[in-house]
Amino acid sequence: KNQVEQSPQSLIILEGKNCTLQCNYTVSPFSNLRWYKQDTGRGPVSLTIMTFSENTKSNGRYTATLDADTKQSSLHITASQLSDSASYICVVSAYAGKSTFGDGTTLTVKP
Amino acid sequence: DTEVTQTPKHLVMGMTNKKSLKCEQHMGHRAMYWYKQKAKKPPELMFVYSYEKLSINESVPSRFSPECPNSSLLNLHLHALQPEDSALYLCASSGQGTDTQYFGPGTRLTVL
Repeated sequence: KNQVEQSPQSLIILEGKNCTLQCNYTVSPFSNLRWYKQDTGRGPVSLTIMTFSENTKSNGRYTATLDADTKQSSLHITASQLSDSASYICVVSAYAGKSTFGDGTTLTVKP
Repeated sequence: DTEVTQTPKHLVMGMTNKKSLKCEQHMGHRAMYWYKQKAKKPPELMFVYSYEKLSINESVPSRFSPECPNSSLLNLHLHALQPEDSALYLCASSGQGTDTQYFGPGTRLTVL
C-alpha cells in the first residue's frame, strides 16, 4: 500500500529561525514528489516538485531534498517569517497511478 | 494564467437543497480533480476527469455528481447532502496525471 508519512505533526518556531520538515514514503513506482503550502481555509500552493533524478530543488527560502534510495524528502525553511505559518503537505505520485498525500505538518511561526 | 477559480467561496445549504460548485481553469490542463478536505486533514480525492471523461471515482456517494462540460470547466452537483458533508471542497487541474496539480481556493460548504 502506498503511504506517505510526515513529521513532525506540528512545529512551533520563532520568527527568523530555520526549520526542517520530513517526509517518508513507500510509493512505487515513484514518479515525483511535491511539497505544498496550505494556508488555513485556502487551497494548497505548490512549492517544489522533484523527480527521481533530482536531489535538491529550491524556491526562495524553501529548499526541498530528495533521497530516492531511502525514500525520504525534507523541506527546509530558512529565516522563517510569520507568513510561513501554514500546513505543509508532501504528495508523492506513482507512474500511471494516483497521488498519495501525507497528513501534513502544521507550522506556527511566532514573533 | 496559472489560476484555478472556484465559485462560490462559501455555501450554506439545507439537506433538501440542490446546489452546484463550479471550477474553471484556462491553463490547457486536461486533468481536473475534486477533493474534499476536513479540518486538519489532508485533501481526499473524490473524482478525476481526464480529457473530459470521468476516470476515477473514489466510491463517492451518489449525492455528489460531477460534470465536466468542457476542458476548462468542472462542476460538482450536490443533492440531499448530510451535515457530515460539510468541508472545504477543492478543485485542481494538471497537465498530465502526475504533474503538479494547481489547486483552486476552495468552496467552504456547510450543510445544516
